[in-house]
Amino acid sequence: EDKVVQSPLSLVVHEGDTVTLNCSYEVTNFRSLLWYKQEKKAPTFLFMLTSSGIEKKSGRLSSILDKKELFSILNITATQTGDSAVYLCAGRGAGGGADGLTFGKGTHLIIQP
Amino acid sequence: DVKVTQSSRYLVKRTGEKVFLECVQDMDHENMFWYRQDPGLGLRLIYFSYDVKMKEKGDIPEGYSVSREKKERFSLILESASTNQTSMYLCASSLRDVRTDTQYFGPGTRLTVL
Repeated sequence: EDKVVQSPLSLVVHEGDTVTLNCSYEVTNFRSLLWYKQEKKAPTFLFMLTSSGIEKKSGRLSSILDKKELFSILNITATQTGDSAVYLCAGRGAGGGADGLTFGKGTHLIIQP
Repeated sequence: DVKVTQSSRYLVKRTGEKVFLECVQDMDHENMFWYRQDPGLGLRLIYFSYDVKMKEKGDIPEGYSVSREKKERFSLILESASTNQTSMYLCASSLRDVRTDTQYFGPGTRLTVL
């Protein structure tokens, strides 16, 4: 059974801090790893990673995948209160539910002013 | 911009009622999905469809059925709602192109079954 585990489950930091969110995965016939941000509504897409060692970057957010060690990290630098959200990691493979997207339970990030 | 819409943001139903949740996407996506999201359990896939009139069971299909009569519309049906189906229901869509696995989500329907 495919599994995606995120850590920490929750994190409280001050505005301006840098945070690192972790995602480890066990996905049959792994194809890609996706990061989503979920505020009080539907998840919004952040990154899709398919290759090891290649950093994807968007503003203050960046992510990298390690296919050997089966994990990914999401970094947020100079955090702002608007970064407060649940961050979801999902693995895509040939196994798992139907189209093979298995979600972790999320990291609840709270940025305090 | 990809747009996925769901028919209701909030819904309250009674045990035993038949419930229809509708999802529409306007990007000509082949794949459509229904998830439920519960605290401590994360997002779990109920059903998905990769083409009109095609459907596949996800991880937790019991108590649900789906219908895809048109490419842009994917319906989730609770034949006889039960209290353990109280949840946030999220619809998503994606291209079938294997070069992109991105799923785009609708705003969600919070269903309460009394």
